[in-house]
Amino acid sequence: QSALTQPRSVSGSPGQSVTISCTGTSSDVGGYYYVSWYQQHPGKAPKLMIYDVSRRPSGVPDRFSGSKSGNTASLTISGLQAEDEADYYCSSYAGSYTYVFGTGTKVTVL
Amino acid sequence: EVQLVQSGAEVKKPGESLKISCKVSGYTFTTYWIGWVRQMPGKGLEWMGIIYPADSDTRYSPSFQGQVTLSADKSISTAYLRWSSLKASDTAMYYCARIPSPDGYNLDYWGQGTLVTVSS
Repeated sequence: QSALTQPRSVSGSPGQSVTISCTGTSSDVGGYYYVSWYQQHPGKAPKLMIYDVSRRPSGVPDRFSGSKSGNTASLTISGLQAEDEADYYCSSYAGSYTYVFGTGTKVTVL
Repeated sequence: EVQLVQSGAEVKKPGESLKISCKVSGYTFTTYWIGWVRQMPGKGLEWMGIIYPADSDTRYSPSFQGQVTLSADKSISTAYLRWSSLKASDTAMYYCARIPSPDGYNLDYWGQGTLVTVSS
């Protein structure tokens, strides 16, 4: 069960949009509509930002959106803000009560 | 308010045993799966396994099968992660989190993390 592949880093200026990809296989990302995304600031616990590919928990700004095509899921942050600078991890259900995380992406706000 | 409160940081020697805890409140403990996640220093998140407190049904990630034991005590709404013989490579931050089952496949509420340091 290999980790999902994410870019190591992405960056953007305030107000811009950035997109983070998350590539898996037909056994995880491609096989289920259960991709979630987590934001982690340094020294803090992760926070759920997107679940079931594109659904936002209450309280998460609508600047955050998710999508999926085939074996690749994506998280887009529109109107980038300074507080969005953090690490982001995708996760997918992989069947038989197993899950897998992505490798993580550092988002830098220039 | 849903809360998961984990036990404090631990410093142990290789070969020692350890059990860390995750006490939940604000919801019915037995109706949601609890997941455990490892984060080694400077590294990413890793799924370790999940437990259903109602019947202690437990599923481990292949990488952690046989390395750790998950358990739960319904009477005090607490989940546990146990090692029988720690290794230096177990040094990491460990998080517990709730899975909003039965239809949820994510981790919606997280504990604050327990830092485990294993060093001779």
